[in-house]
Amino acid sequence: KQEVTQIPAALSVPEGENLVLNCSFTDSAIYNLQWFRQDPGKGLTSLLLIQSSQREQTSGRLNASLDKSSGRSTLYIAASQPGDSATYLCAVRDNYGQNFVFGPGTRLSVLP
Amino acid sequence: DGGITQSPKYLFRKEGQNVTLSCEQNLNHDAMYWYRQDPGQGLRLIYYSQIVNDFQKGDIAEGYSVSREKKESFPLTVTSAQKNPTAFYLCASIGYTGAFFGQGTRLTVV
Repeated sequence: KQEVTQIPAALSVPEGENLVLNCSFTDSAIYNLQWFRQDPGKGLTSLLLIQSSQREQTSGRLNASLDKSSGRSTLYIAASQPGDSATYLCAVRDNYGQNFVFGPGTRLSVLP
Repeated sequence: DGGITQSPKYLFRKEGQNVTLSCEQNLNHDAMYWYRQDPGQGLRLIYYSQIVNDFQKGDIAEGYSVSREKKESFPLTVTSAQKNPTAFYLCASIGYTGAFFGQGTRLTVV
């Protein structure tokens, strides 16, 4: 059964720092991996989607990488801002496309 | 605007009552999912549907029921058999460009 973990569980950084969030999964037979952001009391907003054949995706200050063989993905946030404060979740979809498993999330606080 | 809409945003349930949460999407996605989120915990899968008139139980289906009569709609009923229904419920539809979520329904038992 696929299991997804995220490290760290919480992170607090001063504004302007570059930071890395980590996501690990146990079964490398994935269809894709997606990073989301969740603000308190809100739904999930998609940030980046990486297909299994891809190594990375970029959107603005965000860059996500995928290493299927080692079961890892990282989300890099450049020049962090207070508005980046939220919980970040990664999720993997298996090769059959039926199961979408989430990690527990990393709660990020960017201090002004 | 393409997207996924959940309603209501807040819902209050009395003991022994069934309530239905609405989820509608206009993204033309075949797959739709319902998740439950408790404070400080991750998302847990309740039910999912890959195609109209078919759905499968997730990890925590007991006390819940769903229907999928139309591609656009996947309502979730929280029955009186669900002993601890207070939670945040999220609906998602999934296509080739990934998963998209509604804004959630917060259900509280009163």
